[in-house]
Amino acid sequence: DAKTTQPTSMDCAEGRAANLPCNHSTISGNEYVYWYRQIHSQGPQYIIHGLKNNETNEMASLIITEDRKSSTLILPHATLRDTAVYYCIGKTSYDKVIFGPGTSLSVIP
Amino acid sequence: GAVVSQHPSRVICKSGTSVKIECRSLDFQATTMFWYRQFPKQSLMLMATSNEGSKATYEQGVEKDKFLINHASLTLSTLTVTSAHPEDSSFYICSLPSGDNYEQYFGPGTRLTVT
Repeated sequence: DAKTTQPTSMDCAEGRAANLPCNHSTISGNEYVYWYRQIHSQGPQYIIHGLKNNETNEMASLIITEDRKSSTLILPHATLRDTAVYYCIGKTSYDKVIFGPGTSLSVIP
Repeated sequence: GAVVSQHPSRVICKSGTSVKIECRSLDFQATTMFWYRQFPKQSLMLMATSNEGSKATYEQGVEKDKFLINHASLTLSTLTVTSAHPEDSSFYICSLPSGDNYEQYFGPGTRLTVT
């Protein structure tokens, strides 16, 4: 798995966009960037993944730099329910999911 | 997507006893399931890979004789914490991959407290 680096914590005002960065400078060509999140005392939840193109789904957008060394997860209109720990993981589709420390996002009213 | 259930959601047991945690895939069959453990304020740690019809594969440092895994069917994997001690108190979570392997579906977790 590619090593990823994320800020320990971030705050975001409710209703504003939350932009969560992730560095993955050692990611290999066949490894995807995955994002999961874990709301307190629940199991993790898949958010989105991408290889090199930007991706968008009903939950979030994923912006991957052209050199693939970093990416940003965007929650367009953060709500209080988006308060969670967000994990950025670099891996192939067949690798196990190995979690790092993640970013603790607090959405502030 | 698949729904993964775990039973029980919470369990309290006495030191020295064994506890079994079930992980069920409700929507599709899974030849592989994963077990994680999470201590308070820490990230999830992968414990083992459960393989249907064969032995589980344990991560380095995880005692296979203490954490018994049985994957007897394509929809059920069980984790038994044998001779539990207070230090085994943790949040145990199972997961399984989607059919195309791009997603992992996680269960809601089981909170184990050993007194």
